[in-house]
Amino acid sequence: DAKTTQPTSMDCAEGRAANLPCNHSTISGNEYVYWYRQIHSQGPQYIIHGLKNNETNEMASLIITEDRKSSTLILPHATLRDTAVYYCIGEKAAGNKLTFGGGTRVLVKP
Amino acid sequence: GAVVSQHPSRVICKSGTSVKIECRSLDFQATTMFWYRQFPKQSLMLMATSNEGSKATYEQGVEKDKFLINHASLTLSTLTVTSAHPEDSSFYICSARRPGQGNGYTFGSGTRLTVV
Repeated sequence: DAKTTQPTSMDCAEGRAANLPCNHSTISGNEYVYWYRQIHSQGPQYIIHGLKNNETNEMASLIITEDRKSSTLILPHATLRDTAVYYCIGEKAAGNKLTFGGGTRVLVKP
Repeated sequence: GAVVSQHPSRVICKSGTSVKIECRSLDFQATTMFWYRQFPKQSLMLMATSNEGSKATYEQGVEKDKFLINHASLTLSTLTVTSAHPEDSSFYICSARRPGQGNGYTFGSGTRLTVV
């Protein structure tokens, strides 16, 4: 799986959009970009994934650059419950294990 | 859909005893499950890959005789921490791949193990 780089932490204001960057310059053509988050003392939760195109679901939007070397997860209206560690992972569709990096610790402030 | 149930959520045991943690896929079959360990303020570390009907594959540095994994059915994997010691105290999490192409993984809610 591709190595990913994320900022260690970031703060964002409640109600505002939160933009979480991720660099994955070594990603290969068949690797998806996945985002998970982990709220304190819980198991990770799937958020969204994409290959080339931008994606949107009820939780977030994923913007992938044309060269696929980086992506941004967008939480459109952050709430206090979005405070968590967010992990960006490059994963082959047929891959058989998931490796976690350090992630970004996001603190949503009132 | 694609729910993974993990039990117990929290366990305290005495040093030297063994503890079993269960991981069940509730609405799908999982030929492969994964076990992670997480220490405070650290990321998840993959311990082993559990394969239905065959031996688990352990990551480097993980003692297979201490962390026994059994995957006897398509919906159940168990992790047994044998002869537990205080340094085994950690948050243990299981996961399984969601059905369908490129659909990622779903995770259990984790088990907080405290060895006293």
